[in-house]
Amino acid sequence: DAGVTQSPTHLIKTRGQHVTLRCSPISGHKSVSWYQQVLGQGPQFIFQYYEKEERGRGNFPDRFSARQFPNYSSELNVNALLLGDSALYLCASSLGGQGETQYFGPGTRLLVL
Amino acid sequence: GEDVEQSLFLSVREGDSSVINCTYTDSSSTYLYWYKQEPGAGLQLLTYIFSNMDMKQDQRLTVLLNKKDKHLSLRIADTQTGDSAIYFCAERWGSQGNLIFGKGTKLSVKP
Repeated sequence: DAGVTQSPTHLIKTRGQHVTLRCSPISGHKSVSWYQQVLGQGPQFIFQYYEKEERGRGNFPDRFSARQFPNYSSELNVNALLLGDSALYLCASSLGGQGETQYFGPGTRLLVL
Repeated sequence: GEDVEQSLFLSVREGDSSVINCTYTDSSSTYLYWYKQEPGAGLQLLTYIFSNMDMKQDQRLTVLLNKKDKHLSLRIADTQTGDSAIYFCAERWGSQGNLIFGKGTKLSVKP
């Protein structure tokens, strides 16, 4: 079975632009979480979605938004990119019950110039 | 607030045991996790422990939990060069169960 997949693998944008990152969860998993990992730090929680509803949000500005589709895949959108948004964006999927073990994808590396 | 702390570096010789330590602050955490991250890759789940357990063993991995001191450790027996990576401790936080990570411990294994 395929694990969590993310696209694209790498992305270069300039300040002020918008970006959309995509994630497909493990088959059968209904919950998707997004994390931001800045170089040298641990991942930080951005969003969690379950059954297309937002179930949790971390301490990130409104420039960050996400959604989940009926097939449980998810998109993370970031508007008005800043240099500080450069990071590895990780998607994790879980079965869906609260606090289920999360399995991570390979991440999308975003560089903002 | 919630916080997870780890030492940043650990260097061991191949064949020795490695012990990576972590402290956490949320006494209501139900699950604690260890993830491994190799260069340029995502996070690989290694193991986890439920908060009512003291120890969990899984092949070369042993997790010890001291709930009173909020201290978690990961022991890797017979450490191999392929174990070189960054190891993250994480606690499950809040009703949604999102993870709070430490900054990671970089394990270097010398031949």
